[in-house]
Parts: sequence; C-alpha cells; structure tokens
Amino acid sequence: DVKVTQSSRYLVKRTGEKVFLECVQDMDHENMFWYRQDPGLGLRLIYFSYDVKMKEKGDIPEGYSVSREKKERFSLILESASTNQTSMYLCASSIGGSRDTQYFGPGTRLTVL
Amino acid sequence: RKEVEQDPGPFNVPEGATVAFNCTYSNSASQSFFWYRQDCRKEPKLLMSVYSSGNEDGRFTAQLNRASQYISLLIRDSKLSDSATYLCVVNIFRGYSTLTFGKGTMLLVSP
Repeated sequence: DVKVTQSSRYLVKRTGEKVFLECVQDMDHENMFWYRQDPGLGLRLIYFSYDVKMKEKGDIPEGYSVSREKKERFSLILESASTNQTSMYLCASSIGGSRDTQYFGPGTRLTVL
Repeated sequence: RKEVEQDPGPFNVPEGATVAFNCTYSNSASQSFFWYRQDCRKEPKLLMSVYSSGNEDGRFTAQLNRASQYISLLIRDSKLSDSATYLCVVNIFRGYSTLTFGKGTMLLVSP
C-alpha cells in the first residue's frame, strides 16, 4: 500500500511567519505534488517535482516555494504567510508515465491569522 | 472553457437509486482519465480509471467518449456509504504527468 504522510493535520500560524509543510512517501515514487483545496475552487496545483532537486511551477505558485533534497520528501514553504493562504494543503505522489495516478496524503489544514 | 467541468451538484438520492455523473474536458491531448472519490475532510482517493472501452467495478461503471470529450460515472444501487464528492480527473502527459481535477460533484445518499 502506498503511504503518503504529511507532518501536521492542523496548523495555525500568524501573518508573516515562515511556514514549512512536509510530505513523505514510502513507495520510491518519482513524482511529488503540492495542491491546495478551497471551497468552490477545487484542487489547484502549486508545485510539483519529477526528480530530486527538480521542481516545476503549477497553476498557482505565487507566494510558495518548494524543496526536494531527497526522493521521498517534498517540502512546501510559505516564506511569509498571509491570510489568503489559509487552506487545505494536500501532498501527492506518483510513479510517473502516461497512465499515472496520484496517491494523496491526509492533508494539512492551515489557518493563517 | 474550464479544463475539466462537472455537474455542480449536490445530488440527493435515496438508497438503491441509480445516479450518473457527467464530466467534459477541453484538451483533446488528454491521455488518461480517472474518477476519484473524496469523503468529507479526507483526501481524494482513486475510485477507478476510465478506459475507451468502458469499464465496470461492481456497482460502478465508467465510460469515456473521446470524440465528445466526455466522461461519465454510473453508480447503481446506491448505498449510504457512497455519499462523498466525486472528482473527474484528466491526465495530460507532456513528458511528465500532471493531473487536472474537476471541482467535484457531491453525492448525498439518504435512507
């Protein structure tokens, strides 16, 4: 069974704080993804990585950065959190290929006050 | 036009009903298609892949019409446990694989 874990289920931070969200997968997957999910907007891709130290911008990368130093770990960084970054953050991983499917972690509900 | 569009829902049905979800996608280069299920406050989970020939998994049937760029999911004999949001998902492979998600259709099955 694929297992994707995220460091926190719930997180409360203050405006301007630096926030780290960690994601770890145990299936040796090449690809990892960060999404945010908001009511009425669905899942939106922030960043993804298809190899160690590689990263690609998704649809909404502004205000975020990522780090992938090891294959199993993909971090999302909010350099200076703002209230409009209050959201559910979901990490996913996949093996890659044209018929690829993604496996999601349980999500981190981040509130920025 | 949005990349992946679904019925907004919610769909309220009694137990035992048959319910159909529809989805259209705009990019003809889309290569693979899926239905994911998301329970309230949980992560999305793969329900089934969708193939051109259509495929069935128990009470669930998925169909794909590439010419019309249309995907469907049929649930027969609905159970209370089917209550969830159903996400239509499309993969456009551009050397790497990314998924585009519809906003989802909520299903509420009542006794």
